[in-house]
Amino acid sequence: DTGVSQNPRHKITKRGQNVTFRCDPISEHNRLYWYRQTLGQGPEFLTYFQNEAQLEKSRLLSDRFSAERPKGSFSTLEIQRTEQGDSAMYLCASSIDVETGEAFFGQGTRLTVV
Amino acid sequence: AQSVTQLGSHVSVSEGALVLLRCNYSSSVPPYLFWYVQYPNQGLQLLLKYTTGATLVKGINGFEAEFKKSETSFHLTKPSAHMSDAAEYFCAVRGSARQLTFGSGTQLTVLP
Repeated sequence: DTGVSQNPRHKITKRGQNVTFRCDPISEHNRLYWYRQTLGQGPEFLTYFQNEAQLEKSRLLSDRFSAERPKGSFSTLEIQRTEQGDSAMYLCASSIDVETGEAFFGQGTRLTVV
Repeated sequence: AQSVTQLGSHVSVSEGALVLLRCNYSSSVPPYLFWYVQYPNQGLQLLLKYTTGATLVKGINGFEAEFKKSETSFHLTKPSAHMSDAAEYFCAVRGSARQLTFGSGTQLTVLP
């Protein structure tokens, strides 16, 4: 399967703990996006990378959120000191750097903060 | 800035009936528009996209959408609903960084 892969699929954590999610994009895709989706809402853009460069991070929800994409391959999204309001689905998408912005999504990581 | 409004958070149709899901957009530049489908606890799957050219766009699973610039709309239709079409549908517009701005979604229920 050459689609976008996200791990873990589900994560339950206690409030105050740190969590890290991983995304493996489609291999030839140089753009990688992170989105957050809360119940009953559409995905909300967080940040994106072109190769290893993070070109937009102003939409990250707070300074507790950070993302990396070392070597321009897989990416990680970390949330420090989790809060109950962080409970959501975190989606990763990748695309080739073409005009349209068409993106292919992974199956997401469902985070539950208890 | 770009935005998307999906009219109707829930739509119910009978199996075999016409499906119509509404989407209106706002964009300061010529828009690139998308429809995605999401099944429970899954990611998003692209149904169809409008970039340039033909305003009637055909997608997978028998869906199509028509771009109407004068109405700033991109409604999704399917002539005959199937039980397997039950899912949540999202309309999206491309932003300046080629990220997608999504509407809040429409949950489609197909009744037997």
